[in-house]
Amino acid sequence: QVQLQQSGPGLVKPSQTLSLTCGISGDSVSSNSGAWNWIRQSPSRGLEWLGRTFYRSKWYNEYAASVRGRITVNPDTSKNQFSLQLNSMTSEDTAVYYCATRYLDSWSQGALVTVSS
Amino acid sequence: QAVVTQEPSLTVSPGGTVILTCGSSTGPVTSDHYPNWFQQKPGQAPRTLIFDTSQKWSWTPARFSGSLLGGKAALTLSGAQPDDEADYYCLLSYSDAKVFGGGTNLTVL
Repeated sequence: QVQLQQSGPGLVKPSQTLSLTCGISGDSVSSNSGAWNWIRQSPSRGLEWLGRTFYRSKWYNEYAASVRGRITVNPDTSKNQFSLQLNSMTSEDTAVYYCATRYLDSWSQGALVTVSS
Repeated sequence: QAVVTQEPSLTVSPGGTVILTCGSSTGPVTSDHYPNWFQQKPGQAPRTLIFDTSQKWSWTPARFSGSLLGGKAALTLSGAQPDDEADYYCLLSYSDAKVFGGGTNLTVL
């Protein structure tokens, strides 16, 4: 089964950009049948799908309306990983962040990201 | 963005049957929404139980089943066990995004 290893900071200052990466083992980020998701969870917002990237002869991205304009999900084929960038962070973005596979059958361990000065 | 609705909480007796539902603000839920269901226990990441309305994973207990019911996606638990006490979330796919429901807290009592 595919395994995902997430990394990134646990603390981000307000207005700054969050950058997380998700390393993939057992599959390729460039797979024509794969898709790579970012999801977060907080007590106030519940589970929230943020966005995904996938390759079907070219790269595609899809983003949740709630974060569209602030989010970028990018593949890194050289490292077989994908990343999340979320700009203009506020306290509302404090959450546990996860990466997950196409059918959400494999998830990373999750990491709490706190937005605080 | 669409809003996906679930019952906030439900209670089922051990051995009993309960149906959790998942509705969409955009209209009836269909197979084109590829409904997914997840179970989450405290301190754990969600675990997928059902995908594409009714498809099970190898780890999905047989007592769980997915369907479409009355314009909603449904998760039926038949023969509830104490270990089934958890939060359950549905996920619907739209043309360019996915949306989780608010979750159902299921008590087995």
